[in-house]
Amino acid sequence: GAVVSQHPSRVICKSGTSVKIECRSLDFQATTMFWYRQFPKQSLMLMATSNEGSKATYEQGVEKDKFLINHASLTLSTLTVTSAHPEDSSFYICSAIGGRGGYTFGSGTRLTVV
Amino acid sequence: AQSVAQPEDQVNVAEGNPLTVKCTYSVSGNPYLFWYVQYPNRGLQFLLKYITGDNLVKGSYGFEAEFNKSQTSFHLKKPSALVSDSALYFCAVRDGGATNKLIFGTGTLLAVQP
Repeated sequence: GAVVSQHPSRVICKSGTSVKIECRSLDFQATTMFWYRQFPKQSLMLMATSNEGSKATYEQGVEKDKFLINHASLTLSTLTVTSAHPEDSSFYICSAIGGRGGYTFGSGTRLTVV
Repeated sequence: AQSVAQPEDQVNVAEGNPLTVKCTYSVSGNPYLFWYVQYPNRGLQFLLKYITGDNLVKGSYGFEAEFNKSQTSFHLKKPSALVSDSALYFCAVRDGGATNKLIFGTGTLLAVQP
């Protein structure tokens, strides 16, 4: 079945540095990828929608300059958290349209900014 | 705007007993409804979806859900709960706009006691 591989699963970075999270669709083409953020014991908050070859569409209140999304190919989308601060610590999940159920999720990235 | 509501933050059930996790929806047009399960520090796993057809939808791991148009509900059920079913469950609805993004409920933590 369809798989979305998300890396890294965990990352700890220093405040002020940037972190890149990758999501790859392994056996299907993901023309659309969604990026979510999840706080402890809370629901998923959609941050942005990326389409291959075009600029991402950000949800209201999400800083596009802080959360850079690139979807340069049909199998790879990346989220870069720039100049990370402790308040950016969270669980980030990607999802692609495709696969059983219509949507396939990555396994998530736990970001801790110290 | 499309939305789903999960009225219970937590559901407790004894192993072997039937379980129900509630979800109600508010949509314009025909609803595309989903159930996902999330284990700690993991992405979301697809359980089942309703698009059209039979109101009773059977899904993965013995789960099923009943679409009830008059009550605008899509409750998740399982006849006999397992301890391994303990996890966070999300109901979601597909947004009717061009992006096809999913809109999630707040999640229900299911705790199955042995």
